Amino acid sequence: GNSVTQMEGPVTLSEEAFLTINCTYTATGYPSLFWYVQYPGEGLQLLLKATKADDKGSNKGFEATYRKETTSFHLEKGSVQVSDSAVYFCAPRNQAGTALIFGKGTTLSVSS
Amino acid sequence: DAGVIQSPRHEVTEMGQEVTLRCKPISGHDYLFWYRQTMMRGLELLIYFNNNVPIDDSGMPEDRFSAKMPNASFSTLKIQPSEPRDSAVYFCASSFGQGNSPLHFGNGTRLTVT
Repeated sequence: GNSVTQMEGPVTLSEEAFLTINCTYTATGYPSLFWYVQYPGEGLQLLLKATKADDKGSNKGFEATYRKETTSFHLEKGSVQVSDSAVYFCAPRNQAGTALIFGKGTTLSVSS
Repeated sequence: DAGVIQSPRHEVTEMGQEVTLRCKPISGHDYLFWYRQTMMRGLELLIYFNNNVPIDDSGMPEDRFSAKMPNASFSTLKIQPSEPRDSAVYFCASSFGQGNSPLHFGNGTRLTVT
C-alpha cells in the first residue's frame, strides 16, 4: 500500500523565512501527489497537487515538484507568514481511485 | 457549493452509549471517505465507498464500528458501544472521479467519550 514519510516537526520559523517541508512516498503504480493544509479546528484543505512527473503544483506562494526518480514531493515557500502556521500533509493517490493515505503531518509555527 | 457537511460538530457521550456521526458529501461526488484523527496515530482511513458501495473497510478498528451509505447524499458512521479510546476527530471527505481528483474534507466531528 501507499505510505508517506515527512518530518513531524514542529518546524519553527520567523516571518519571511524560507520554508521546505520534505516528503517522500511509496506507492504502487503512478500516483497523483497532493499537499493539504489543516488550520486549527478545521478540516484539511487542498493546497496544491501534481499529477505527473516533473509537474509543479503551486498555490498561495507554495510550490512542490513531482520527482518520480526520487519519489519526492517537497513543499517550499520563499517567504512564510504568520498566517501559514498550520499542519501540512503530503499524500499520494493511486490512479485507481483509492483513498489518500496520510502521514502524521508537519506542524509549522511562524512567529513575527 | 456548500462543501462536505458533517454533523454534529461536537459530541460528548458516556462510555457504552451509541454514537452516530453523519456526513453529506458534495453533490455529484462518487467517492466518500471516513477518517479518524488523533494525536497519537495521526489521520487514519477507516472506510471508503464508491457509488455507495463499501470498497475498503480494513481500517475499521473493530466490530463496534459500522458505516453505511444508503444513498449518494448521505453516510453514517456508528460506534456501538462507544469507549474512551474512541475519542478523536472524525472526518468525512468526498471526491469525484479517480486518482488525480482531490478529496474535499468536512470540518469534522470532535467525539469525546467519558
